[in-house]
Amino acid sequence: DVKVTQSSRYLVKRTGEKVFLECVQDMDHENMFWYRQDPGLGLRLIYFSYDVKMKEKGDIPEGYSVSREKKERFSLILESASTNQTSMYLCASSGAYQPQHFGDGTRLSIL
Amino acid sequence: AQKITQTQPGMFVQEKEAVTLDCTYDTSDQSYGLFWYKQPSSGEMIFLIYQGSYDEQNATEGRYSLNFQKARKSANLVISASQLGDSAMYFCAMREGGGSQGNLIFGKGTKLSVKP
Repeated sequence: DVKVTQSSRYLVKRTGEKVFLECVQDMDHENMFWYRQDPGLGLRLIYFSYDVKMKEKGDIPEGYSVSREKKERFSLILESASTNQTSMYLCASSGAYQPQHFGDGTRLSIL
Repeated sequence: AQKITQTQPGMFVQEKEAVTLDCTYDTSDQSYGLFWYKQPSSGEMIFLIYQGSYDEQNATEGRYSLNFQKARKSANLVISASQLGDSAMYFCAMREGGGSQGNLIFGKGTKLSVKP
């Protein structure tokens, strides 16, 4: 079975902090994705990566950056956290022509 | 315009009955894929079923089947013999183009509640 692991299920941070959300997959997938999910808005793509050291902006990249130094790990970075970034964050990975498989999600609160 | 439309924000179904969750999509691509995911209250997104645009047969996976009507651009999920554990949010998603990568576009979801 595909395993996508997100480092935290729940996280509370303060405004202005630099926040790192980590995601690791164990299936040697090329593709990795970060989404945020908000009530009434569904899932929105923040960033994605099709290869190591490669990244592409999704629909809502503002205020975020990403890092993919190794194939199995894709990190989402909130450079200076703000309260409007309080949300559920979901990481996913997929192989070529395969469905995306998701982690358990991180519920992030910015106070 | 929305690319994936799920018109039912919430639905109720009696345990052991079948239920259909609606999904319509909009694309000009000839090659695309349609997916359904389940999200329980615990938050994880679980892949359920996939239908490719060139697949002639409707996809089935256990109690899940996809009623694919290409001309109407609909891809409804049918859950047979509902169970209490089926209570969750259900999301329809589309991947456009025939490439191996392709991002998913999600609908806003349908909340299914199964009554005992």
